[in-house]
Amino acid sequence: GNSVTQMEGPVTLSEEAFLTINCTYTATGYPSLFWYVQYPGEGLQLLLKATKADDKGSNKGFEATYRKETTSFHLEKGSVQVSDSAVYFCALQPDRGSTLGRLYFGRGTQLTVWP
Amino acid sequence: GAVVSQHPSRVICKSGTSVKIECRSLDFQATTMFWYRQFPKQSLMLMATSNEGSKATYEQGVEKDKFLINHASLTLSTLTVTSAHPEDSSFYICSAPGGGPREQFFGPGTRLTVL
Repeated sequence: GNSVTQMEGPVTLSEEAFLTINCTYTATGYPSLFWYVQYPGEGLQLLLKATKADDKGSNKGFEATYRKETTSFHLEKGSVQVSDSAVYFCALQPDRGSTLGRLYFGRGTQLTVWP
Repeated sequence: GAVVSQHPSRVICKSGTSVKIECRSLDFQATTMFWYRQFPKQSLMLMATSNEGSKATYEQGVEKDKFLINHASLTLSTLTVTSAHPEDSSFYICSAPGGGPREQFFGPGTRLTVL
């Protein structure tokens, strides 16, 4: 079946530190992979995505590379800011199945960045 | 960008009562909307797919008679939790496809507390 395993938090970093949030997945076929971010009181927002193997998604300094050989999609940022404090969700969207468009989510990782 | 709204954002009700949650796409049409449920420190789990003009598709283990879904128009889907009990207390989130291939817009969620 389809599932996402995400590094558990919370993660607490100082400003300008390097961030890695691990994400691995199980899926048949060739799913699309996503990172969503949820700021306090707001809905989930798409941060970045990758739709095929070796694709690198990037946005706002965040990057993640679709690694099919390791079934991973780790999120990285070289220098975090206080404004990056939020909950981050890794998700996959299967390319086949009865409910096209649905997402499978990891548990979410709370990131807190201190000045 | 496109926005999905949910109403109410927070609701507290007595056990045995019914609660209706609305999900609206504000500047785009959505023939499909997804309803997720999120328990504390856990991932979002798909409950059902709301289809405009036809019956909702429920995930395995979700009670159709308890979680009534009505896709009233191309911009509105409602989730009614009937005869709510404390174990139904959770965070309910809707989403609608849009923004790009395989992308979705998420509502801010509704926190339901059943006393």
